[in-house]
Amino acid sequence: NAGVTQTPKFQVLKTGQSMTLQCAQDMNHNSMYWYRQDPGMGLRLIYYSASEGTTDKGEVPNGYNVSRLNKREFSLRLESAAPSQTSVYFCATSSSGRPKEYEQYFGPGTRLTVT
Amino acid sequence: DQQVKQNSPSLSVQEGRISILNCDYTNSMFDYFLWYKKYPAEGPTFLISISSIKDKNEDGRFTVFLNKSAKHLSLHIVPSQPGDSAVYFCAASASQFYFGTGTSLTVIP
Repeated sequence: NAGVTQTPKFQVLKTGQSMTLQCAQDMNHNSMYWYRQDPGMGLRLIYYSASEGTTDKGEVPNGYNVSRLNKREFSLRLESAAPSQTSVYFCATSSSGRPKEYEQYFGPGTRLTVT
Repeated sequence: DQQVKQNSPSLSVQEGRISILNCDYTNSMFDYFLWYKKYPAEGPTFLISISSIKDKNEDGRFTVFLNKSAKHLSLHIVPSQPGDSAVYFCAASASQFYFGTGTSLTVIP
């Protein structure tokens, strides 16, 4: 039972390159989320998926796209990376039904540097 | 504009004493509040939560207090232990989640 896994753990990109961050969960949770964490900013929601087949924008969606491939997997794509996207990216999941939907389980993070 | 604020970036407490971490919010539509704990190089882990219809929730050494009129919540840890040393994030939910910037707690043995 791995919980929430993220790949890769580290990545360095050049400006303009593209990449996809992968997230997978084995918790049978309906909802999945992508956050970024920057110094002095806390965690900010990029996109979320309340259930398979649906995605919604969060607080900072510009420059990102997401795909909810199936119930287990939720990927985050940077089409043309910019230095401002240098950050630590966390994937999270939660169950449905209050109050369980409020308790999110996080992956270990992906540290991305864009030069 | 930060809707959830943690104004103390760091806090040091002696082992065995009480740690009090504070959080303020601006949006009166928030209906659920949570605290997460984060160790370096790991993702945050859920600690404790409180619904807006309550003013206190307790779980072992951890108690969260909510003051809706002041738009303020606090996390009390008593007694504090060295293993509690971590960054603590408060979070609030309306239609989506908003996190504070975190408070780094150091418990001194």
